[in-house]
Amino acid sequence: DGGITQSPKYLFRKEGQNVTLSCEQNLNHDAMYWYRQDPGQGLRLIYYSQIVNDFQKGDIAEGYSVSREKKESFPLTVTSAQKNPTAFYLCASSIEGQGNTGELFFGEGSRLTVL
Amino acid sequence: AQSVAQPEDQVNVAEGNPLTVKCTYSVSGNPYLFWYVQYPNRGLQFLLKYITGDNLVKGSYGFEAEFNKSQTSFHLKKPSALVSDSALYFCAVRDPFSGGYNKLIFGAGTRLAVHP
Repeated sequence: DGGITQSPKYLFRKEGQNVTLSCEQNLNHDAMYWYRQDPGQGLRLIYYSQIVNDFQKGDIAEGYSVSREKKESFPLTVTSAQKNPTAFYLCASSIEGQGNTGELFFGEGSRLTVL
Repeated sequence: AQSVAQPEDQVNVAEGNPLTVKCTYSVSGNPYLFWYVQYPNRGLQFLLKYITGDNLVKGSYGFEAEFNKSQTSFHLKKPSALVSDSALYFCAVRDPFSGGYNKLIFGAGTRLAVHP
């Protein structure tokens, strides 16, 4: 079954620690995205990438970093510089170019709690 | 600035009654509009979209949405609500300056509660 896999589902972190959230897709999609969800604020875009070894900052990139070494993988690192990292993080992917239907396909999310 | 507004934090409806979840947008050019649903601690599931064509769009689970260009609205509707429809609903519009990406701008979400 094709889809997007995020891990871990739940993660606890002490202040000052970096943490990496995994996102893997087997949909053969070119573009991948990371969104942050906070209660009452909808989803906000952190980073996105269209091709391997290239990525762009979204609206709230400060305190986060990403890599795109493989088409299938787009991990997100929440660094100690992120002031308020407790949130629900969602990874998504989409088709680009011919066959682009416009919508994003989402993973099941990772909930990060900073203690 | 491009934006999406969902004016209601919560919508309450009795099972079997029709439901409407409201969405208005502000975007340059012709909008690409989407509705997603989210169950607790889950990802977002795609319900339906409007790109072009018929203003009434039908989607998954019996949901539909009506695109109204003059009112810049894209309200989500269902003729008969089910308790299992209770969830968080998000309206989104594609950023017209995406540069080829499908960057979506989301509303804050509306919680739908369907009572037996």
